[in-house]
Amino acid sequence: AQTVTQSQPEMSVQEAETVTLSCTYDTSESDYYLFWYKQPPSRQMILVIRQEAYKQQNATENRFSVNFQKAAKSFSLKISDSQLGDAAMYFCAYRSAHTSGSRLTFGEGTQLTVNP
Amino acid sequence: AAGVIQSPRHLIKEKRETATLKCYPIPRHDTVYWYQQGPGQDPQFLISFYEKMQSDKGSIPDRFSAQQFSDYHSELNMSSLELGDSALYFCASSPPLAEKYEQYFGPGTRLTVT
Repeated sequence: AQTVTQSQPEMSVQEAETVTLSCTYDTSESDYYLFWYKQPPSRQMILVIRQEAYKQQNATENRFSVNFQKAAKSFSLKISDSQLGDAAMYFCAYRSAHTSGSRLTFGEGTQLTVNP
Repeated sequence: AAGVIQSPRHLIKEKRETATLKCYPIPRHDTVYWYQQGPGQDPQFLISFYEKMQSDKGSIPDRFSAQQFSDYHSELNMSSLELGDSALYFCASSPPLAEKYEQYFGPGTRLTVT
């Protein structure tokens, strides 16, 4: 079974600064997808960024980028120019590419605080 | 853009009662997933349906059952409710695999069992 680990229960960053959230995972599969989801106080789950394991290029979405290290099974999220609206719980998630309807397996989450 | 719709948004039940949660996926999405998120926890996968057939099963109690209907909406039926069933229940949907593989989450149903 796949597992996802987020070793930072809480992180804080100053507004306009950069912060990196860590995520590691364990799998025996070679083809899979990785995601970062954001959960603000409203509890809505919002997709931030995705990465296909077969792609070597790191995904980027505006101020959000990832550092995907497949051999090390590491998938960190970098948030640049942090904004107050970035404050939320961030979940790293894994999904197998082999079957339709396959589940997301989440890490424990990292609570991000943005200080003005 | 259309989003995943869940109803009801809030539900209060007593122990041993039954609850039914409904999920309406984004149009053209053929796969539906159910997740349970307890207080301070990450979402835990319960069950999923692809083209109206169960496609994956997680840690769903035997007291719970679910199905996907011909119009692709799904219902999660929960019986003999326990205090520990109090949680936020998410439904998510995804489009045909040929297109994308993200799961789009609904706003959740907050179930409180007293």
